[in-house]
Amino acid sequence: AQTVTQSQPEMSVQEAETVTLSCTYDTSESDYYLFWYKQPPSRQMILVIRQEAYKQQNATENRFSVNFQKAAKSFSLKISDSQLGDAAMYFCAYRRLEEYSGGGADGLTFGKGTHLIIQP
Amino acid sequence: DTGVSQDPRHKITKRGQNVTFRCDPISEHNRLYWYRQTLGQGPEFLTYFQNEAQLEKSRLLSDRFSAERPKGSFSTLEIQRTEQGDSAMYLCASSLLGWGETQYFGPGTRLLVL
Repeated sequence: AQTVTQSQPEMSVQEAETVTLSCTYDTSESDYYLFWYKQPPSRQMILVIRQEAYKQQNATENRFSVNFQKAAKSFSLKISDSQLGDAAMYFCAYRRLEEYSGGGADGLTFGKGTHLIIQP
Repeated sequence: DTGVSQDPRHKITKRGQNVTFRCDPISEHNRLYWYRQTLGQGPEFLTYFQNEAQLEKSRLLSDRFSAERPKGSFSTLEIQRTEQGDSAMYLCASSLLGWGETQYFGPGTRLLVL
């Protein structure tokens, strides 16, 4: 079974600074998807960024970028120019390809999350 | 496109009662997922549907949990004979087959079992 580990229960960063959230995962599969989701307090989970494992290029979405190290099974999220609205729980998630799920879809496997605090 | 919606947003019930939650996915999405999220944890996958077919239900927590998606549109998750350990946030997500399977989440239903 796949596991996702987020070793930082909480991180704090000054507004406008850069912060990196860590995620490692364990899998025996060669191809898969990785995601970062953001869950603001009392609000719904929002996709931040996704990465297909077969792509060597790191995904980027505006101020958000990832450092995907496939051999190390590491998938960190970098947030540049942090804003107050970035304060939230951030979850790293793994999803199998359908070929490994018997042809059907599979749910996401999530880490425990990192609580990001933005200091004004 | 109004996003994934869930109803109710909050539910308080007494131990032993049955509860049912509803999820309305994004209209063109043919896959629908249910997750449970307990305090301090990431969401835990329970089950999913493709159209009206429930293709994975082995992760449902016990036989007290069941889900339906009768016409391939909205879905319901029922918990029978609730226990205090069922207190959690129940999340629904939907996705469109063939679009890299990005799942879009609803706001969740928070259940408290007294």
